Amino acid sequence: EPEVTQTPSHQVTQMGQEVILRCVPISNHLYFYWYRQILGQKVEFLVSFYNNEISEKSEIFDDQFSVERPDGSNFTLKIRSTKLEDSAMYFCASSADSSRDEQYFGPGTRLTVT
Amino acid sequence: QKEVEQNSGPLSVPEGAIASLNCTYSDRGSQSFFWYRQYSGKSPELIMSIYSNGDKEDGRFTAQLNKASQYVSLLIRDSQPSDSATYLCALMNSGGYQKVTFGTGTKLQVIP
Repeated sequence: EPEVTQTPSHQVTQMGQEVILRCVPISNHLYFYWYRQILGQKVEFLVSFYNNEISEKSEIFDDQFSVERPDGSNFTLKIRSTKLEDSAMYFCASSADSSRDEQYFGPGTRLTVT
Repeated sequence: QKEVEQNSGPLSVPEGAIASLNCTYSDRGSQSFFWYRQYSGKSPELIMSIYSNGDKEDGRFTAQLNKASQYVSLLIRDSQPSDSATYLCALMNSGGYQKVTFGTGTKLQVIP
């Protein structure tokens, strides 16, 4: 069964460093997303991406964040200058098309900022 | 008012019983509703989607939607210890482009 994959599973970085989280969405899906979940809190939407551009972003997704689809398979989230409060699980998700909006999540990357 | 409200639990049910999980939401224009299961330290796993009023059954799971009451529920029949997890109610807002809003989840414990 096709699934969303994410690398790395755990990333430890120092405050102020840049990190790139990587995702490979399900191959025939057209819509891609990033969510985050701070420990003990709810899953929060960050950004949606379609047709090589951002379609929606939340207030969390400020200038420190960017997304990219550098090739036909990868989808990345970059955090330019990490802060302690960026420590969270980051989930990538994808959905097939506008008629099937069920989103399937990857296993997540645990980001720890020290 | 929170967009998606769930009782945090824990909801404890004996093995073999029916577990009933409830969710209310504030945006009357919400179009799509989802139930995800999340085991501790893992990612959300989609269990059910429901788009129109009424019941939708899939195996041991039944989702119920009442848009007039802004209420979504999930019934799990013949609950198993492996069903012990946090169940997340989620919806897609009318104004959002594929953005899914999650509740905080209800923790379910199935007692053997």
